[in-house]
Amino acid sequence: GNSVTQMEGPVTLSEEAFLTINCTYTATGYPSLFWYVQYPGEGLQLLLKATKADDKGSNKGFEATYRKETTSFHLEKGSVQVSDSAVYFCALSPRGTSGSRLTFGEGTQLTVNP
Amino acid sequence: GAGVSQSPSNKVTEKGKDVELRCDPISGHTALYWYRQSLGQGLEFLIYFQGNSAPDKSGLPSDRFSAERTGGSVSTLTIQRTQQEDSAVYLCASSPRVGVNTEAFFGQGTRLTVV
Repeated sequence: GNSVTQMEGPVTLSEEAFLTINCTYTATGYPSLFWYVQYPGEGLQLLLKATKADDKGSNKGFEATYRKETTSFHLEKGSVQVSDSAVYFCALSPRGTSGSRLTFGEGTQLTVNP
Repeated sequence: GAGVSQSPSNKVTEKGKDVELRCDPISGHTALYWYRQSLGQGLEFLIYFQGNSAPDKSGLPSDRFSAERTGGSVSTLTIQRTQQEDSAVYLCASSPRVGVNTEAFFGQGTRLTVV
């Protein structure tokens, strides 16, 4: 079956530090990959996505590249801000497989200190 | 509406009572999901509806939990004889059919507290 494994948290960084949150997946075929973010007290929202190998998703200074060879979709940001403190979820969506659902990782709590 | 709508936003109920949580997905979305998120925890998958196919109920934690989706649109999650461990935020999401653009859009959730 499909699965997503995320780097365990929590992660605590100082402002302007470099961020990497690892995500690897197991799936048949070529799924679409997503990062969702949940800010304190808010609902989940899509941060970025990539739909095929070597695609790079980017938004708000965050990036993630779809690596088929390593089945990974690591989230990176060059300089984090306090406002980036949130829980980040990696997810995959199967392609062309009727009846299969989105699969989420466990989530990684990020805290950025000033 | 423009987004996924859930109601109520908050629900406090006594242990042993039944509750119904409602989800209005984005118009035209054929896939609908229910997740549960306990305090400080990740997303726990509950149930998934895709078009007219039989729902994937593999995540429902017990037979006290059930869900239906009427007319391929609105969904209701029912919890019978609620227990304190059912306290959580229940999230609904919808997406276009699998195989196209399958990003999921989440509602704000229903915070359920069983006292």
